Formats: sequence, C-alpha cells, structure tokens
Amino acid sequence: DIQMTQSPSSLSASVGDRVTITCRASQGIRNDLGWYQQKPGKAPKRLIYAASSLQSGVPSRFSGSGSGTEFTLTISSLQPEDFATYYCLQHNSYPPYTFGGGTKVEIK
Amino acid sequence: EVQLVESGGGLVQPGRSLRLSCAASGFTFDDYAMHWVRQAPGKGLEWVSGISWNSGSIGYADSVKGRFTISRDNAKNSLYLQMNSLRAEDMALYYCAILDGDKDYWGQGTLVTVSS
Repeated sequence: DIQMTQSPSSLSASVGDRVTITCRASQGIRNDLGWYQQKPGKAPKRLIYAASSLQSGVPSRFSGSGSGTEFTLTISSLQPEDFATYYCLQHNSYPPYTFGGGTKVEIK
Repeated sequence: EVQLVESGGGLVQPGRSLRLSCAASGFTFDDYAMHWVRQAPGKGLEWVSGISWNSGSIGYADSVKGRFTISRDNAKNSLYLQMNSLRAEDMALYYCAILDGDKDYWGQGTLVTVSS
C-alpha cells in the first residue's frame, strides 16, 4: 500500500503569511493527488485535484504542485478563513486510497 | 443542487452489525464511483471503501476488509455500507463522497458509536 507522509502536522502562521504544506508518497503516484480543507464540524472540501488543478470556486491564493512522490500545497497569503486542517489524498493505487495525516493551521 | 445524505448510524454493541445508506440527488449517480470515508473523534480522515459506477470494481481498507461490504443501487441512487463485527475502533463519523475526477461532493456524515 502507498503511504502518504504529510508535514508539518501543525503550524502557526499570521494573516498574510505564505504557507506551504508537503505530502510525500512512498512510491510514485503520477499526479493522482488532491488537497482538502476541513473546518471543525464540517465535511472536507477539496481545494486542488490532479495535484495542481484548482477546484471550481476555490480562491486563487491556493495552489498545488508536484508529481511522482513530492507534492506541495501553498497558500500565498493566509486569510482568516483559511485556519483549518488540510489533508492530501492519493488515488493512484487502489485499493486503498490514502490520506495524509493532516496539517492543522493555527493562528499565531 | 447536489446532495449526499447519509443515514443509518447509531449506537451499536461491539460485534454487532449496522448498515449505512447514502441517498444521492442532483447529479447522475451512475456516472460516478462512490466512496466511504470515516473520521474517528479528534482524528484524521480514513478512506474505508470504494465502488465503481457499475459495481465492477470494489476496494476496502485493510482495517475493514472481510467485515464491511459496500454496494450500490443505481436505480435508487443509493450507496450502502454493511458493517459487521463492529469494533470500538470503527467508531467514527462516516461520510459518503465522490473523490475522483473534477467533482467534489460529500455528505454531512452519519455517526457510528460502538460501545457496550
């Protein structure tokens, strides 16, 4: 099974900061990766699909990059509504699909 | 409006069974593979099971293989998860979701509590 290692597990940042979250796959997954945002008490919401494609309706301050085993989610200028937990999900090797462990973005 | 509405959760004793349902509306259900994802209290997301549009391809997480069965009824626009031999570690909020392609649809989840 493919393992997804997400880092950091948490971070503190200020409004306006540039934030980067990384997922590393245990083997190559081409670009079969999505990034999700989850706020407390809510279902996850996908921000990025196919590693770098912006989901419809998602602000352009979110971007994704990478292919193979290394992937990055970048928030170019953190906004108050972006404080949440973020997950990557690989859907290359099935079964199973695999989520990363999550990154909690907190207010500094 | 796209809707995925889960039901069937509740309190169940260890070793017993429960069947979850997910009613879909607002999109062409049989165009999409469907998945179950769960989240234990205070924990991260865990993919549980997936089923292709025609039920021809089915997969399970190792943690539920042999105990859970996913199925769908395209005529009823419904997805199911039969959960047998439930354990304390199966306690979670269970979501049905579309995870593939450019669509991102999730239900609100149904809570499964496993306790004696």
